[in-house]
Amino acid sequence: DAGITQSPRHKVTETGTPVTLRCHQTENHRYMYWYRQDPGHGLRLIHYSYGVKDTDKGEVSDGYSVSRSKTEDFLLTLESATSSQTSVYFCAILPTGGETQYFGPGTRLLVL
Amino acid sequence: GIQVEQSPPDLILQEGANSTLRCNFSDSVNNLQWFHQNPWGQLINLFYIPSGTKQNGRLSATTVATERYSLLYISSSQTTDSGVYFCAASISSGSARQLTFGSGTQLTVLP
Repeated sequence: DAGITQSPRHKVTETGTPVTLRCHQTENHRYMYWYRQDPGHGLRLIHYSYGVKDTDKGEVSDGYSVSRSKTEDFLLTLESATSSQTSVYFCAILPTGGETQYFGPGTRLLVL
Repeated sequence: GIQVEQSPPDLILQEGANSTLRCNFSDSVNNLQWFHQNPWGQLINLFYIPSGTKQNGRLSATTVATERYSLLYISSSQTTDSGVYFCAASISSGSARQLTFGSGTQLTVLP
């Protein structure tokens, strides 16, 4: 599992509430990614980070923000959750010098 | 950006059968990966294969970069092969390796 954990693993929240998902890695890799998975769409990139405080937008970044204040943690925040953000969220890392991304176990988020 | 299309979307096999999954991509790529998502949702790396052929046990993959497609072969399928198979591609080089995923092939292997 490349030392990747995600928390929480499951969350139910209400529309309009803020939500923060955490991705933690143990091996100090530079690149980290947040994806969402929805039926019929595969996985789509939300945001990624290429170092502490260095982040950029992906394909579906609207409604999401990220932060990376430490190498090991990459946070995804939904400032005001909407039902369209109900999804499974995956974090991934790219090992230094590698070409293959490795994924965390995922977080199931339900926005009511 | 790059478009990635997978076929077939669904595949049902009897245990022991062979199968071929296809991935077409719209542009030249320097990163092509195959993943298996098991029924518990875990994404497992199968192959990194921007070109050429690789084999790992009953699974093998071939990417023909000049013709913009990749194939995943599963031989003597087992029930544990069930799940969703994704291919993902990237055209970024020396940068963040942003992957674009296909919609996946849902494979069901019946006992």
